[in-house]
Amino acid sequence: QVQLVQSGAEVKKPGASVKVSCKASGYSFTSHDINWVRQATGQGLEWMGWMNPNTGNRGYVQKFQGRVTMTCNTSINTAYMELSSLRSEDTAVYYCARVTVAVGDWMNWFDPWGQGTLVTVSS
Amino acid sequence: DIQMTQSPSSLSASVGDRVTIACRASQSISNYLNWYQQKPGKAPNLLIYAASNLQSGVPSRFSGSGSGADFTLTISSLQPEDFATYFCEQSFSTPRTFGQGTKVEIK
Repeated sequence: QVQLVQSGAEVKKPGASVKVSCKASGYSFTSHDINWVRQATGQGLEWMGWMNPNTGNRGYVQKFQGRVTMTCNTSINTAYMELSSLRSEDTAVYYCARVTVAVGDWMNWFDPWGQGTLVTVSS
Repeated sequence: DIQMTQSPSSLSASVGDRVTIACRASQSISNYLNWYQQKPGKAPNLLIYAASNLQSGVPSRFSGSGSGADFTLTISSLQPEDFATYFCEQSFSTPRTFGQGTKVEIK
């Protein structure tokens, strides 16, 4: 079945970087964009950006520009999200999600999601 | 950025109740609207895509309606496994944005 499996929880100090992986299986990895969404404890969902594994094209939310890098390794069907200059406000669960696009349309949605990776930023 | 506003933020309901959750966009988004269910400690799960299309495997008691800026998620007969938080999300333009969530609790 289609599945995204993320790397394990991380604890980082302020100013450090974290790199979260998202391994895809059950579908053609290069046929679907991967997006990243984060959720602070008890809070809502915040979209961070997207990446196309086929073209390498990507786009980031303005607030993360300069701190986030999304990459992928198509040989192992894995996407990565690296966030640098971490601060306490970056403590959250980070999700990867596959985008499915409607046939003959631009409508699209997130399905499935990875299980989430908790990143804790603490001194 | 398109703002998504859900109402109510939380509700209490009993098993068997009909539940309706509203989602309003700050501008017209046609039917570029998706609904997700999230249970504690779990990732969101797609319920409805393109405003009214039921995702495969999702029970038929869930339905979505609306277009333009106003949308609704309805659960026709609430079941114990439906107690969760529900989010709407617009895919009309970037940045993608979500509603703040509606927590459905047991009365």
